[in-house]
Amino acid sequence: KAGVTQTPRYLIKTRGQQVTLSCSPISGHRSVSWYQQTPGQGLQFLFEYFSETQRNKGNFPGRFSGRQFSNSRSEMNVSTLELGDSALYLCASASDGYYEQYFGPGTRLTVT
Amino acid sequence: AQSVTQPDIHITVSEGASLELRCNYSYGATPYLFWYVQSPGQGLQLLLKYFSGDTLVQGIKGFEAEFKRSQSSFNLRKPSVHWSDAAEYFCAVGPKIQGAQKLVFGQGTRLTINP
Repeated sequence: KAGVTQTPRYLIKTRGQQVTLSCSPISGHRSVSWYQQTPGQGLQFLFEYFSETQRNKGNFPGRFSGRQFSNSRSEMNVSTLELGDSALYLCASASDGYYEQYFGPGTRLTVT
Repeated sequence: AQSVTQPDIHITVSEGASLELRCNYSYGATPYLFWYVQSPGQGLQLLLKYFSGDTLVQGIKGFEAEFKRSQSSFNLRKPSVHWSDAAEYFCAVGPKIQGAQKLVFGQGTRLTINP
């Protein structure tokens, strides 16, 4: 099976812009989670989608949002970018009924 | 609050030496426990997991971990490290609740291997 894929791998944006990141889970996986990784805060959970519904949410401002499509692919959107949003954004997928999460390679977002 | 502590930010060991990475957690009840590894510029790869049962779990790449409930610890071990083991290692916990896919990670331990 192909692994979790994320596009794009690298992104440079300007403060105030918005950005959309995409994640395609492992075939058959219906749960998609998003994490932010920064040197200062480490790995932090953003949110999780399951069957097109947000099922779990972390402690991030409303500027961070996501959605999931019927084919389980997920997108994450960050509006009004701030310098502090520069991070590696990781997507993980899991099979229904199983807890192991499988991570993609991440999207490196740089906000200037 | 749920938290995971990895006391060692950086560890250096010689190739062929044994390795132990420490992980302590604070949680309301015994959670699911995981170790992940991250190579530079890469995502996270699952090394092993503990859900229940035998407290010594085996993972990939020759790693094992031992769950000690009394110490709220889940330390990762390897008898003999290889240069390719140089990476960052993360301990993570998640609730034993169906549908609660939400991992809490430690800050990570960076492993350097001396030749």
